[in-house]
Amino acid sequence: GAVVSQHPSWVICKSGTSVKIECRSLDFQATTMFWYRQFPKQSLMLMATSNEGSKATYEQGVEKDKFLINHASLTLSTLTVTSAHPEDSSFYICSALRVDKPYTGELFFGEGSRLTVL
Amino acid sequence: AQSVAQPEDQVNVAEGNPLTVKCTYSVSGNPYLFWYVQYPNRGLQFLLKYITGDNLVKGSYGFEAEFNKSQTSFHLKKPSALVSDSALYFCAVRDIGQGGATNKLIFGTGTLLAVQP
Repeated sequence: GAVVSQHPSWVICKSGTSVKIECRSLDFQATTMFWYRQFPKQSLMLMATSNEGSKATYEQGVEKDKFLINHASLTLSTLTVTSAHPEDSSFYICSALRVDKPYTGELFFGEGSRLTVL
Repeated sequence: AQSVAQPEDQVNVAEGNPLTVKCTYSVSGNPYLFWYVQYPNRGLQFLLKYITGDNLVKGSYGFEAEFNKSQTSFHLKKPSALVSDSALYFCAVRDIGQGGATNKLIFGTGTLLAVQP
């Protein structure tokens, strides 16, 4: 149990286009999902907290108009990179918090999405 | 502010030898501590956690970690390393904000474990 699916795993796009990444909790409900960005050989940088039915909470320095987050249901959150540029190329990872168990801090992660902007 | 430190960028160990990946933490209050592993181009997988109870925590794939309050450490250990253990390991702590504990995890910078055959 506790499977989180991310799609697509790999995406290549042209500069100026927008890309949408989906994060789904397959066998549990998640009112909260987190979006991270990871640069090569570096740690995870939390970008934003996605809350079902409300606006996402962005970390300091993250452009909310650039990285649009929507959490329309208890099993799906999406991250849209708008007007992508080469510097947006990165590995994006989502994680989900289960609602059906007492919170102990454990997060369930997706497999990540590698974005390359040409 | 809560933080974790992983002082080693890389740890090299021979297969069959014991391994230790170090983590120290700085938190206000009682810490929730975690270890995750990441294989290349993959997401993170949960290994183990410490919330309360026994200081020695056993987790997945034969890994264990020892919570040491006096040294503020939570080192990851395994008695006998496998080549397949080679991966990036992250220590994490639950964030505590002004309003109390949050749902966020703060990650260390990661330690690359390389197990030689």
